[in-house]
Amino acid sequence: KAGVTQTPRYLIKTRGQQVTLSCSPISGHRSVSWYQQTPGQGLQFLFEYFSETQRNKGNFPGRFSGRQFSNSRSEMNVSTLELGDSALYLCASSLVPGIGGELFFGEGSRLTVL
Amino acid sequence: DQQVKQNSPSLSVQEGRISILNCDYTNSMFDYFLWYKKYPAEGPTFLISISSIKDKNEDGRFTVFLNKSAKHLSLHIVPSQPGDSAVYFCAANTQGGSEKLVFGKGTKLTVNP
Repeated sequence: KAGVTQTPRYLIKTRGQQVTLSCSPISGHRSVSWYQQTPGQGLQFLFEYFSETQRNKGNFPGRFSGRQFSNSRSEMNVSTLELGDSALYLCASSLVPGIGGELFFGEGSRLTVL
Repeated sequence: DQQVKQNSPSLSVQEGRISILNCDYTNSMFDYFLWYKKYPAEGPTFLISISSIKDKNEDGRFTVFLNKSAKHLSLHIVPSQPGDSAVYFCAANTQGGSEKLVFGKGTKLTVNP
């Protein structure tokens, strides 16, 4: 079965712009979470969604937002981009939340902010 | 405040020998621990996990050991193979809670033929 699909895979933006990243979970998975990976900070939790509701949010500014649709697909948005937002953004899915953290990750969307 | 620490950024071993990757944590509320493997240009892949009610879990060549009193876990790979060369991330969670995993910064394992 198809894995977690993230689009776009690569994108370049300039400071002050905004970006929207998309994630399609594994078929049947209803929980989606997002992580940011940077060389200095490693993998950091952004948000978690289940049944279109945000269940948890990481320690990121309000410029980072997300949502989940009724088909479990999810998007995240970063507004007023800063250089420090350059990172690999990873989406992960699971059947339902809280079953042990065995998340299935996509290949990520690599964002470069110039 | 880094709650999950992998103090060795890199590790190099010979093919066929044992690889031992270490991880320390500070939050005593963590009760579920996982290891993920990541190849370049791919997302992390789940490898093995352990609940805090156990001190050892095995899956083929991979064994995870948990020492709760020391807040330490380790991943043993025996025997190591060149295909095991990847970045390994330790992660922790509170079971039954959210999907909020707290990750270490990773250890790059290189297995030399």
